[in-house]
Amino acid sequence: GDSVTQMEGPVTLSEEAFLTINCTYTATGYPSLFWYVQYPGEGLQLLLKATKADDKGSNKGFEATYRKETTSFHLEKGSVQVSDSAVYFCALSDRRSSNTGKLIFGQGTTLQVKP
Amino acid sequence: AAGVIQSPRHLIKEKRETATLKCYPIPRHDTVYWYQQGPGQDPQFLISFYEKMQSDKGSIPDRFSAQQFSDYHSELNMSSLELGDSALYFCASSLDRSSGNTIYFGEGSWLTVV
Repeated sequence: GDSVTQMEGPVTLSEEAFLTINCTYTATGYPSLFWYVQYPGEGLQLLLKATKADDKGSNKGFEATYRKETTSFHLEKGSVQVSDSAVYFCALSDRRSSNTGKLIFGQGTTLQVKP
Repeated sequence: AAGVIQSPRHLIKEKRETATLKCYPIPRHDTVYWYQQGPGQDPQFLISFYEKMQSDKGSIPDRFSAQQFSDYHSELNMSSLELGDSALYFCASSLDRSSGNTIYFGEGSWLTVV
């Protein structure tokens, strides 16, 4: 079945460092890919998405490119801030395997940014 | 903009009790999802509804049931609660079931079973 694998955390960075969180997926069809962020004690917020190969999603300085050839959707940010400290979830939605478009999540990666 | 509203935000129940969570999707959204997130875990899909009909079912225990009402709000009923049911329960909604469509999440309901 469909699945998402993320790099294990926690990831600890200093402010203004470069961030990469790896995400790879397995899907039977042509999924849409998402990054959600969960700040401490809060719900899930959509960070960015990409719906087809080579699409780049971007928001708040974060970017991720849908790479079909490597089945990846790595999250990047050029200069992290303390306020970016959160748990980041990569997710996919594949209409071929689920006509409801439900999300399948990776295990989440905790990012801690130190001043 | 209106978001997904969940209530209650927190509740504490004893083992073997029953709990009911409510969800009000974003207006005009036709699909509702329920997810369960255990401590330190990723959200797990429980069940979904499209136009008030159950559309998909995930890892939802038989002790749990859910429905969507005529006003599109949804309720998740959990009976014979166990300690392992302690989790954050998310409701989410979307306008369309297509896989590229964005699913919006509520703030979640924290359930603690003691």
